[in-house]
Amino acid sequence: NAGVTQTPKFQVLKTGQSMTLQCAQDMNHNSMYWYRQDPGMGLRLIYYSASEGTTDKGEVPNGYNVSRLNKREFSLRLESAAPSQTSVYFCASSEGGGWGIQYFGAGTRLSVL
Amino acid sequence: GENVEQHPSTLSVQEGDSAVIKCTYSDSASNYFPWYKQELGKGPQLIIDIRSNVGEKKDQRIAVTLNKTAKHFSLHITETQPEDSAVYFCAASMGGGFKTIFGAGTRLFVKA
Repeated sequence: NAGVTQTPKFQVLKTGQSMTLQCAQDMNHNSMYWYRQDPGMGLRLIYYSASEGTTDKGEVPNGYNVSRLNKREFSLRLESAAPSQTSVYFCASSEGGGWGIQYFGAGTRLSVL
Repeated sequence: GENVEQHPSTLSVQEGDSAVIKCTYSDSASNYFPWYKQELGKGPQLIIDIRSNVGEKKDQRIAVTLNKTAKHFSLHITETQPEDSAVYFCAASMGGGFKTIFGAGTRLFVKA
């Protein structure tokens, strides 16, 4: 059972380039999330999708877009990458909202030069 | 909005000793408090959680306590082992909501 799978694991971009981070879960969960993790700041919510067909902003949505492609997949897009977006990005999923355990992927380490 | 503060940022203990990590939250509407453990190169994994209608919860060597009045909650690990070495995050959310606010993390070192 794979759980939450993120691709790629590592990526280096130049300022202004675009890219999409992919996330897929095989647990039939309704809700999915994107976080970024920076040193000394814990995890901060970028966007979430409460259920298929819906997406909402989290704490730090600026500079990102998301797509809930279907129940399994939730992608995060950087249209014009900036050095401030250098971070480790985690995707997570849960059965439902706040009471549900969130299951995290292994992360994508992104560097923007 | 909600803010979660976590202390200490680094904690070093001898194997067999206890470790305590403390968190405070600001929004009295928060009623769900999970704790996550993150090992090197991996995503966070839930280790224990507590709801606001409970003051304490225990699972083998791990326990969590909650003081709603003071808006404090703490993680207690007894009989620490080297494999407990990791980064631990506390978090707060409103049950039924989707926005979980995480603390900055505590890096725990257990020395053999």
